[in-house]
Amino acid sequence: DAKTTQPNSMESNEEEPVHLPCNHSTISGTDYIHWYRQLPSQGPEYVIHGLTSNVNNRMASLAIAEDRKSSTLILHRATLRDAAVYYCILRDPEGGNQFYFGTGTSLTVIP
Amino acid sequence: GAGVSQSPSNKVTEKGKDVELRCDPISGHTALYWYRQSLGQGLEFLIYFQGNSAPDKSGLPSDRFSAERTGGSVSTLTIQRTQQEDSAVYLCASSPLAGSYEQYFGPGTRLTVT
Repeated sequence: DAKTTQPNSMESNEEEPVHLPCNHSTISGTDYIHWYRQLPSQGPEYVIHGLTSNVNNRMASLAIAEDRKSSTLILHRATLRDAAVYYCILRDPEGGNQFYFGTGTSLTVIP
Repeated sequence: GAGVSQSPSNKVTEKGKDVELRCDPISGHTALYWYRQSLGQGLEFLIYFQGNSAPDKSGLPSDRFSAERTGGSVSTLTIQRTQQEDSAVYLCASSPLAGSYEQYFGPGTRLTVT
C-alpha cells in the first residue's frame, strides 16, 4: 500500500472547524482513502472513506484533491470528544488485507 | 449488538513465559485482524483471517508469534518465550467481509513483559 504523510499534531478551538491534511503522492488508481480515529485508551474507529469524490457522513467530511495526491478530513465543529489520533490510510481492496495505520495526527481540542 | 471483545484487558508476564490473548469478533464477521501498538506508535499489522482461507501471516514479527481462529469465530494470539520488546497493546478487529472498508476494533489487551 502507498504511504501517507500527516502532521504529528494539530490544535483546534472547541466548536470551530478542523481540517486535517493527508498527503499521499504515490496513491494508485485503485487505492481508497480511509480515515480512522483512536480516542485515548480505545481501539481505532472508522470515520469515513472515499475514492475520488468528496464524501460526507454524520461524523465528518472528506475532501479529495482532483489529482488524489492529497485529502483533508473536515470536522465541522470540533468538540472535546473529538480529541484523538486521526489516521489516514490507503488501501486497495483487491491488493491485500492490511491496513497501514502510520502514526497519525494527534488532535487537541481546546475548550 | 455486542462489539469485539478481548481478554484479558491487561496482562503482566515475566520474560520467557508464554501468553495467550483472546479475541471474540462480532458475530457473523468473516474477517479478523490482529495488530499491535507500541507506546506512542501507530498500529502494526500482525495477521489476518478470512473465513476458511489460509491466514495472512505476513506481519508476524517472529516465529514466537502464532495465532489461530477456531470455527471461524474466536481467535487466540499466542506469544512464546516473551521478550520485553513484546510489551504493547494488542488489538483485534473484525470485518463483515474481506476487503470491507470498515474494521471494528476491540479495546485491546495491554501486555507488559517484565
